[in-house]
Amino acid sequence: DSGVTQTPKHLITATGQRVTLRCSPRSGDLSVYWYQQSLDQGLQFLIQYYNGEERAKGNILERFSAQQFPDLHSELNLSSLELGDSALYFCASSGWTGAKDGYTFGSGTRLTVV
Amino acid sequence: DQQVKQNSPSLSVQEGRISILNCDYTNSMFDYFLWYKKYPAEGPTFLISISSIKDKNEDGRFTVFLNKSAKHLSLHIVPSQPGDSAVYFCAASGYALNFGKGTSLLVTP
Repeated sequence: DSGVTQTPKHLITATGQRVTLRCSPRSGDLSVYWYQQSLDQGLQFLIQYYNGEERAKGNILERFSAQQFPDLHSELNLSSLELGDSALYFCASSGWTGAKDGYTFGSGTRLTVV
Repeated sequence: DQQVKQNSPSLSVQEGRISILNCDYTNSMFDYFLWYKKYPAEGPTFLISISSIKDKNEDGRFTVFLNKSAKHLSLHIVPSQPGDSAVYFCAASGYALNFGKGTSLLVTP
């Protein structure tokens, strides 16, 4: 158990629908990162939050949004889903040292859009 | 554009031998480089990192080498064990971690 909890583990939904992925960071970590891993692709950075505020944005589609709540858990909202959104979505967290000591990843949510 | 590249999708090595995984990057502003290991159905786990001001970092059987002039880093695993069989991701630190596509390592008995 890495300490980063992601729910649900699996999600199957239809095109056009909206889903919410949830992440609880490791205790004490203020930063949360969301990554997408599609077939044959590396981990693509989507967005980072630090203590409730958006810190950095990567290749996140306009149909996707995220937020970090006062208790530091984060949610990634995916709307108007397309077949190509099927992927593994990982959440990671880090402490104040950031990348130096690595991010801690959750086990991911596998999203299948049918 | 892919700023971190792992050009070998797979590597097979015999148990006890050295495994060498390679990674190239394009952005000279990256300040830390990391290696992650990933087993199926699990998230990536942090293995080892190196600062851009160093050229080598060692942790047990794992050593990372950085060649800044060539924008190249490598991970050496000596000796390789069957439990090392996994996908290895190289990552570089910018405003977030930029990952390569991974190299699948198979260590055979």
